[in-house]
Amino acid sequence: EAGVTQFPSHSVIEKGQTVTLRCDPISGHDNLYWYRRVMGKEIKFLLHFVKESKQDESGMPNNRFLAERTGGTYSTLKVQPAELEDSGVYFCASSRTTGVGFYEQYFGPGTRLTVT
Amino acid sequence: SQKIEQNSEALNIQEGKTATLTCNYTNYSPAYLQWYRQDPGRGPVFLLLIRENEKEKRKERLKVTFDTTLKQSLFHITASQPADSATYLCALLNQAGTALIFGKGTTLSVSS
Repeated sequence: EAGVTQFPSHSVIEKGQTVTLRCDPISGHDNLYWYRRVMGKEIKFLLHFVKESKQDESGMPNNRFLAERTGGTYSTLKVQPAELEDSGVYFCASSRTTGVGFYEQYFGPGTRLTVT
Repeated sequence: SQKIEQNSEALNIQEGKTATLTCNYTNYSPAYLQWYRQDPGRGPVFLLLIRENEKEKRKERLKVTFDTTLKQSLFHITASQPADSATYLCALLNQAGTALIFGKGTTLSVSS
C-alpha cells in the first residue's frame, strides 16, 4: 500500500509569491489533515477534511491560506501571498473513516517551505 | 488551551541502556495518549497508543505508562540501540476529536 505522498518536497519562494502544496492520501482514507511545524515549535494542526468537506479549519492561521480537496481525493494547500512567517514544514496525514475509537493517522514526508 | 510538554529536548544514552522520555499535559483529560517517532526528513510514524483506563502498554522493547492523576506519560525504550536514535513525539487528540496536539518532541541519541 502506497503511503501519503506530498509534493514538492522543498519550495523556496519570495515574500509575496504564491505557493501550492499537494498531498495525496492513502487510497480509501476519507480523512485528510494538514499540519505545520515552524522552526523551534511543535507540529500544529491546520485543518481536517472528511472526504471533500472541511470538518475543522480552526488551525488555519489566516485567510492567506486556502485548502481544497476536490472530489475527496488529493488536497492542495495554497499560500497567497506568502509571508516570512509561513516558512516551515507542512505535513499531510490521512486516516480511515472516523467513528467510535481510534484511527491511526499516517503522515507524509512533509513539504519544507522557505519564504525569503 | 490544551498543552503538552516534553521536558527534555535531547537525551543522550549509551547502547543497551533504557531511555525514558516524559510527556506532561494540561487543561485536558484525554481518552488516550499516543507516541510517534520522527526521523529527519520524514513525517511522524505512530508507535503506541495507551487509553486512560490502561496503566501500562508494551510493544517489543517499548513501554508506555499513563498516569491520569499526574497528567503524565512515560515512554521507555529498553536495551536501546543506535537505530532507536530519532525524535519521539507525544500527542493527544483534541477535544473535538479532529486533530492531534503534539509536544515539541525529545530527540534521542543512542551511542554505541
